Amino acid sequence: DQQVKQNSPSLSVQEGRISILNCDYTNSMFDYFLWYKKYPAEGPTFLISISSIKDKNEDGRFTVFLNKSAKHLSLHIVPSQPGDSAVYFCAASATNFGNEKLTFGTGTRLTIIP
Amino acid sequence: EPEVTQTPSHQVTQMGQEVILRCVPISNHLYFYWYRQILGQKVEFLVSFYNNEISEKSEIFDDQFSVERPDGSNFTLKIRSTKLEDSAMYFCASSPVGSSNEKLFFGSGTQLSVL
Repeated sequence: DQQVKQNSPSLSVQEGRISILNCDYTNSMFDYFLWYKKYPAEGPTFLISISSIKDKNEDGRFTVFLNKSAKHLSLHIVPSQPGDSAVYFCAASATNFGNEKLTFGTGTRLTIIP
Repeated sequence: EPEVTQTPSHQVTQMGQEVILRCVPISNHLYFYWYRQILGQKVEFLVSFYNNEISEKSEIFDDQFSVERPDGSNFTLKIRSTKLEDSAMYFCASSPVGSSNEKLFFGSGTQLSVL
């Protein structure tokens, strides 16, 4: 039951370039999407989110794009910095249906090459 | 910055033993959660807790699992009789409101190893 999929387990990007992390979902009830970042030996930390009524949300170097018709979202990091090296999890919830839980993807390990 | 704290960071137990994982959520938060991540797999929801009762639980959260808020600060997850497949990193999380529209704050996790 993989309702949220991150098909790239790893990604390497040169410092200063753009990092693009992708996420697909299958459950059409999902209406809120989040990206979490995780360093080793730490819990996931919230990065950015987007509601299904929007197609883009920007916060500094981070932008999340949502394509509802394709059930696809992506996280853009520009410019990429060495401190961005971490595992990134896409997560989704169906809040309008009273469902609070987050459904996570399997994560993408991003490595920024100095 | 306030944070969710979890103890212990590592727990090793024998199969069939009971374990209690402890969490101290952020003090003004109202909603509490347990998630887990088996090595190499995704983070999975276990249970959410509000107003001293379970508000939602997953199919993973069977009768072997229970949660409790024994006092005003601690939030615990008990596994009554551990199985090998319970080995995972267990994350506690809290949020000020019950919607994922507000970000969850996660603790750094307890690595449970069942031998």
